[in-house]
Amino acid sequence: AAGVIQSPRHLIKEKRETATLKCYPIPRHDTVYWYQQGPGQDPQFLISFYEKMQSDKGSIPDRFSAQQFSDYHSELNMSSLELGDSALYFCASSFQGAPYEQYFGPGTRLTVT
Amino acid sequence: AQSVTQPDIHITVSEGASLELRCNYSYGATPYLFWYVQSPGQGLQLLLKYFSGDTLVQGIKGFEAEFKRSQSSFNLRKPSVHWSDAAEYFCAVGAAGNQFYFGTGTSLTVIP
Repeated sequence: AAGVIQSPRHLIKEKRETATLKCYPIPRHDTVYWYQQGPGQDPQFLISFYEKMQSDKGSIPDRFSAQQFSDYHSELNMSSLELGDSALYFCASSFQGAPYEQYFGPGTRLTVT
Repeated sequence: AQSVTQPDIHITVSEGASLELRCNYSYGATPYLFWYVQSPGQGLQLLLKYFSGDTLVQGIKGFEAEFKRSQSSFNLRKPSVHWSDAAEYFCAVGAAGNQFYFGTGTSLTVIP
């Protein structure tokens, strides 16, 4: 079965640079969630989108923005990167009719040097 | 406020032994509860979930969990652990707005 696809899987950036992470949800899933998992930490909810509209917002820094496109894929844009942004970024998707059936992608590991 | 507590940061068990990972939650309404497993460098895989009904839920890989409302607990169990079960285990509660709140995780080591 198709799963959530995230790209790239690994990304290395320098401080103050920008990064864009992409997420392709499971076909027919209309909701996308972004999570950040720092080293040794539990995943923290950042933001979610349903039908291209932001549906909920968590602990997402103002330097980050995200959007969902007409094909339901989502991009997380991160600017002015800081060392503390180094983390594993997960995307999850679900069908709005089953919001708690979230399926997680493999994650993008971002390293800021 | 919603929160999830996993009291055990790290657990070591022998292969073939039974396993119980503890999870306590704090949530005002009826919770949606989940257990995920994460292997090193990998994503989160759903083991099982509880929405309503039978308080003993069966999951994949031989895992089960029991919801106890009186104790605000959702402990994960497995009768006989395999070496491949070594991983990080996260308990999570689904809250309003479809957010997930995760516990800090329990790292499981399996010794031969």
